[in-house]
Amino acid sequence: KNEVEQSPQNLTAQEGEFITINCSYSVGISALHWLQQHPGGGIVSLFMLSSGKKKHGRLIATINIQEKHSSLHITASHPRDSAVYICAVIMDSNYQLIWGAGTKLIIKP
Amino acid sequence: GAVVSQHPSWVICKSGTSVKIECRSLDFQATTMFWYRQFPKQSLMLMATSNEGSKATYEQGVEKDKFLINHASLTLSTLTVTSAHPEDSSFYICSALEWWGASGYNEQFFGPGTRLTVL
Repeated sequence: KNEVEQSPQNLTAQEGEFITINCSYSVGISALHWLQQHPGGGIVSLFMLSSGKKKHGRLIATINIQEKHSSLHITASHPRDSAVYICAVIMDSNYQLIWGAGTKLIIKP
Repeated sequence: GAVVSQHPSWVICKSGTSVKIECRSLDFQATTMFWYRQFPKQSLMLMATSNEGSKATYEQGVEKDKFLINHASLTLSTLTVTSAHPEDSSFYICSALEWWGASGYNEQFFGPGTRLTVL
């Protein structure tokens, strides 16, 4: 079993739909990152969370430390949101990152 | 937030040549930087932990003589892929750790990545 599990692996939705991507982890962490990777490979950091909830524009990220679970939500999704979304946790023992496999999101117009 | 840059963003080289990738923290000092590698359609995997002024710590299965890491200053770590081969073609990304004083609080910031293609 991977230490960081993301679901779903692939998600296709229509423009305007509310999107949820989930991340579960099994190790002790100091924080969790949500990142966006575009087809060319470039990575953009969306959020870093250690507790609670953060919002930036149409993106919302939540984390439940007790349940070892985080979610990334996209409201009013748009085709330009199409990308791979990656969850990565920072281990509290050595600050190294463990990366989820990513969720490939396609938003159709 | 803090910015980490990588250079180059992409590089194509011939088999047998060496390629150097730079990772810079632009507005903070990073005693620790990490190097990751991503194979196509796979997750990123840690290659090594780079500490300023000391030897890098490599993960199991990563050849330290092939992937040379130098962290000579608090704002720069370099990864050199020596005698590159097509199987080294991959996406390489670094992250830099910023510490906040004596509180122990830290944040990691990511470079945008470097795509290496070895012909």
